[in-house]
Amino acid sequence: QQQVKQSPQSLIVQKGGISIINCAYENTAFDYFPWYQQFPGKGPALLIAIRPDVSEKKEGRFTISFNKSAKQFSLHIMDSQPGDSATYFCAATSRGGNQGGKLIFGQGTELSVKP
Amino acid sequence: DGGITQSPKYLFRKEGQNVTLSCEQNLNHDAMYWYRQDPGQGLRLIYYSQIVNDFQKGDIAEGYSVSREKKESFPLTVTSAQKNPTAFYLCASSIRGQNFDEQYFGPGTRLTVT
Repeated sequence: QQQVKQSPQSLIVQKGGISIINCAYENTAFDYFPWYQQFPGKGPALLIAIRPDVSEKKEGRFTISFNKSAKQFSLHIMDSQPGDSATYFCAATSRGGNQGGKLIFGQGTELSVKP
Repeated sequence: DGGITQSPKYLFRKEGQNVTLSCEQNLNHDAMYWYRQDPGQGLRLIYYSQIVNDFQKGDIAEGYSVSREKKESFPLTVTSAQKNPTAFYLCASSIRGQNFDEQYFGPGTRLTVT
């Protein structure tokens, strides 16, 4: 119940296309869903995050769509660029209780944007 | 220049030796975390600490130890009991309060044990 399942494992998109990465969870207590972007040899960086009181959040070319009833959320990268090539991780946590802010991470998606 | 520093970037050790990875932050964050990253497995939580002199085991704490004597520092020791220590180790921190769940990561230390 603590798992976050992420798909696909790898993704190849042409420049200018839309990249879509999906995540699913089971724990209904999760109430914070961030996405992290990681370049090779670097630490992950927070990209965008959503709370379950909204169904969509957009920041520039990055959009999170959230479906609370289906317990799924996804990252859309519009007009994908070669510079977006990185590994993307979804995550989830429950702010309540004694979780200590523990993030549960998905397995990661390696995105490659071809010029 | 605020942030999280991890040193060294690359670390090599012989099997059977303990090794300590450094993590320092000057963000005045209360909480700090250690993750291990292996190819295709995402990030797995080793230990975390919400406050000085207190820490909790994460999902894969066996073979690791930590201390939190100062707010700024959260060193991780990989002991000889850790069966597969070669990995990329990431330290993170977060502020408690409204946005305590926004974790900021350091650049990582790649440990190779032979």
